[in-house]
Amino acid sequence: IAGITQAPTSQILAAGRRMTLRCTQDMRHNAMYWYRQDLGLGLRLIHYSNTAGTTGKGEVPDGYSVSRANTDDFPLTLASAVPSQTSVYFCASSEDPSGANVLPFGAGSRLTVL
Amino acid sequence: GIQVEQSPPDLILQEGANSTLRCNFSDSVNNLQWFHQNPWGQLINLFYIPSGTKQNGRLSATTVATERYSLLYISSSQTTDSGVYFCAAGFGNEKLTFGTGTRLTIIP
Repeated sequence: IAGITQAPTSQILAAGRRMTLRCTQDMRHNAMYWYRQDLGLGLRLIHYSNTAGTTGKGEVPDGYSVSRANTDDFPLTLASAVPSQTSVYFCASSEDPSGANVLPFGAGSRLTVL
Repeated sequence: GIQVEQSPPDLILQEGANSTLRCNFSDSVNNLQWFHQNPWGQLINLFYIPSGTKQNGRLSATTVATERYSLLYISSSQTTDSGVYFCAAGFGNEKLTFGTGTRLTIIP
């Protein structure tokens, strides 16, 4: 089934630990995105990639890094987690880097940093 | 960047009622999308509608780009329509900015 797969579904993490959230898509979309969702704030863009080999910063990039070694995978890394990074993280993709047309989302990864 | 405001923040309706959700945006857009987040957290794209009107079953959307707003209509509401509805807007190379959503609760 075509779509976006995120892992893990949920994770509890001690502050200061390193964590990588995985995102894989099988639609051969050019662009991929990471959002975080916090209560009352909607979804905010963390990082994006318009095409394999390129990445860009979104609205809230501090404390996060990404890589795009190939078309399918777009991992999000927290080098040293802090409690304010407790959130639900969503990965999305689009065929067009402008984000036009359908933007499918993964099921989300719930991260709790203690 | 673009500012996106949604109203109302919360809406409680009886099953069978109709509803209108509004999205105002602060600047010109060439990308406007509506999403539904169900009670289990899954985000589903409903419409890509930078201008004009589209319909999909009981749902329809209209964007008046010159007046900087979009409306999502839900007719004959069902309990499965409950959840949070998000509007997201963007222009040119700017990525989508999301509003804070409208939480819709349909009572049986």
